[in-house]
Parts: sequence; structure tokens; C-alpha cells
Amino acid sequence: DGGITQSPKYLFRKEGQNVTLSCEQNLNHDAMYWYRQDPGQGLRLIYYSQIVNDFQKGDIAEGYSVSREKKESFPLTVTSAQKNPTAFYLCASRIAGYTGELFFGEGSRLTVL
Amino acid sequence: ILNVEQSPQSLHVQEGDSTNFTCSFPSSNFYALHWYRWETAKSPEALFVMTLNGDEKKKGRISATLNTKEGYSYLYIKGSQPEDSATYLCAFNQDSNYQLIWGAGTKLIIKP
Repeated sequence: DGGITQSPKYLFRKEGQNVTLSCEQNLNHDAMYWYRQDPGQGLRLIYYSQIVNDFQKGDIAEGYSVSREKKESFPLTVTSAQKNPTAFYLCASRIAGYTGELFFGEGSRLTVL
Repeated sequence: ILNVEQSPQSLHVQEGDSTNFTCSFPSSNFYALHWYRWETAKSPEALFVMTLNGDEKKKGRISATLNTKEGYSYLYIKGSQPEDSATYLCAFNQDSNYQLIWGAGTKLIIKP
């Protein structure tokens, strides 16, 4: 079945460590997105990519980095520079150049100890 | 600053009853309005993408209306069932910007 796979589902990190969240899709979508969800708030865009080897910062990119070396993959690294990294992270994709529906993964919950 | 508001934040509804909730968004430079259903431990799933003022879309017992001039959309659920329990998110596209601005969601709990 086509879809988006995020891993790990749960991740614990010590302060000062970088962690990488995986996002893989087999929907043949060009555009991929990373969102952060905090309690009581709407999803906030961290980074997005419309095409391989290109990506743009979203509203809250500070302390995060991404790469887009393959169409299927859009990993997110939460660096030690991110001041408040404990959150739920969602990856999504859709057809590039299209403002239609997003397809989402099930999310990754990061907790910093 | 663009803002999308959803109300109420949460809602308890008796099984079999109908319900509705609201998404408010900026009325200028409207491009599209999205509704998603997000069940616990699952991925958010698209319900509707609406683009035309006055549009009404339906999927089974769920329907949505759109008023772009006044900046609101209603989501209706007829004859609520336990499987309707979820958080319902709306998101707004302004112009043809690919970025979506999201509301915080309405959490719907259906009481058997």
C-alpha cells in the first residue's frame, strides 16, 4: 500500500544530542513537509521541499535541519540548538505545484530528558 | 499574521446526535480551505478541500460548507457514531502559497 512511514514513533533524547527523524514515502510525491505539533496549537511548518535537492525553511526552522537527497526520503534532524524540542512531529507529502490534500505519516514523539 | 480559529476546542456529543463546528480564516486572498480528521494513534486524513465560495461537500454523514467572503467554514456530522471520535483540523491556503495555516482543531468525543 502507498503511504508515508515515520520512524521512530517514540524517541527520547538527552539535552545536547542531535536526533534524526525518518520520513519515507512511496506515493511518488515531489513535495514533502515537516510539521511540529504542540498542545493547544495548530500544526506549524518547520521545513518543506518541492523537489529533490531543494528545500525551504518554514515558520519555525531554527534548530532544525533537513536533507532531500532522494524523492522518497525527507529526514529531519533536531539539533541541540533547538531550545524546546519536546513535541510531536508530523511528516506529510503531496503532488508538487498542487494545493490539494496532504498525506500524513503517523508522527514521531520526541521527548528530551 | 494569518490566523485560523476553530471552535469549540472540544465537544462531547451523544451517539446518534448531529453536531457541527466552525473554522474561521482570513477572508482576503482566499485560495483553499482544507478539513482533516485525526484519530488517535493514526495519521490525519483529508476530508475535504474546498475552493469555491458557497461550496458544499459531502462524504457519507459528514458535510462541509464554505463562505469565503466572511471567512468561515462549517463541518457537520449527522447521526454521530463512536468512530467519529477524533480531532478535526482545518487549514487555510492563501493565494497559491503552498503553505497551509492550521487551526488548533476541534476534539470530538462521541458518548455511547
